[in-house]
Amino acid sequence: QQQVKQSPQSLIVQKGGISIINCAYENTAFDYFPWYQQFPGKGPALLIAIRPDVSEKKEGRFTISFNKSAKQFSLHIMDSQPGDSATYFCAASMSPGTYKYIFGTGTRLKVLA
Amino acid sequence: DTAVSQTPKYLVTQMGNDKSIKCEQNLGHDTMYWYKQDSKKFLKIMFSYNNKELIINETVPNRFSPKSPDKAHLNLHINSLELGDSAVYFCASSQDPQRAHNEQFFGPGTRLTVL
Repeated sequence: QQQVKQSPQSLIVQKGGISIINCAYENTAFDYFPWYQQFPGKGPALLIAIRPDVSEKKEGRFTISFNKSAKQFSLHIMDSQPGDSATYFCAASMSPGTYKYIFGTGTRLKVLA
Repeated sequence: DTAVSQTPKYLVTQMGNDKSIKCEQNLGHDTMYWYKQDSKKFLKIMFSYNNKELIINETVPNRFSPKSPDKAHLNLHINSLELGDSAVYFCASSQDPQRAHNEQFFGPGTRLTVL
């Protein structure tokens, strides 16, 4: 119930293509879903986050799509660039804050020039 | 200006030794965390502290002892190091999540290698 399942484990995309990473959860009490981006040798950094009262959130080339009934959410990276090559983590938490995120297992994205 | 800093960045030590990792945040946050990231990049919470008080201990062995001397610092001491402790340890901080969902800011990590 506390797990967040993330797929794929790794992803290779051509420059200019669309990268899609999917996550699924079981616990319906989760109500905050952030995505973190981690470059090699660095700590994760918040990329974009969504709450279940909206089905989509877009920030620049990054979009989260959220399907509450299916308990799934995904990250879409439009016009993928080599600089987007990183590991991406989805996460989930619940209100009031439980002082922890449940992280997915991560997706290593490589964008080919 | 570094928001969340950790020292050291790299730590190589022998099995059985005791070592400490230090973390400091200058964001004025109430809550701090320790995460462990293994070789497969899996990121798992170890401890959460709020206003110097331990909130979460995710069944971490007793060999790991966090200490928060003040809200801006959260140190991690590890006794009797084992091979399986080799990982990257991340410190993070946030506003009190009891008030609202808040972004967690991560430090640069400490790569611990136990030989």
